[in-house]
Amino acid sequence: GENVEQHPSTLSVQEGDSAVIKCTYSDSASNYFPWYKQELGKRPQLIIDIRSNVGEKKDQRIAVTLNKTAKHFSLHITETQPEDSAVYFCAAIGGSQGNLIFGKGTKLSVKP
Amino acid sequence: DGGITQSPKYLFRKEGQNVTLSCEQNLNHDAMYWYRQDPGQGLRLIYYSQIVNDFQKGDIAEGYSVSREKKESFPLTVTSAQKNPTAFYLCASSMAADSYEQYFGPGTRLTVT
Repeated sequence: GENVEQHPSTLSVQEGDSAVIKCTYSDSASNYFPWYKQELGKRPQLIIDIRSNVGEKKDQRIAVTLNKTAKHFSLHITETQPEDSAVYFCAAIGGSQGNLIFGKGTKLSVKP
Repeated sequence: DGGITQSPKYLFRKEGQNVTLSCEQNLNHDAMYWYRQDPGQGLRLIYYSQIVNDFQKGDIAEGYSVSREKKESFPLTVTSAQKNPTAFYLCASSMAADSYEQYFGPGTRLTVT
């Protein structure tokens, strides 16, 4: 079945710097890759997603890139702000039922 | 917020007791899911339901049970057979099983002592 690996597990940046989180997946049939942000004690919220027919998608300060050949996708956050501090999860659709398989998360800390 | 709710937010139980976690959605979504979240872990799928009166086991279904008698509701029972039930439980829904975008409830933190 699908396996999603996410790196790094923790990331600390200075306010204004960029942050990059990377995920790899194993199932070449996967075709949907969302990113969720989870603040402490809160629900995960979808922040951006990408489908396998595009290589990059942007939404203001966040972007996601997908390399289908290498089976990896990345989240890019530019001009980071303290409110970007949270745990970020990547996921991929995997398995015959098409259920989301999640990475283990990256705890991002943005220092003012 | 709103659309998908879970109750209660915090739940405490003694070991050996069954406990049922509530999940309700008013989004008219067909598919609903239950995940378990542990520190340092991703979200692991317990059960999911693509349509009323039908549900499937996820990756970690042992010790859990569900029902889907109504489209809006997908309660999860944590049974005494679940060896390590203390965790944060998240319910989610999507328009259809193949629409992919999942929306999460606020979660229930279950503590069993």
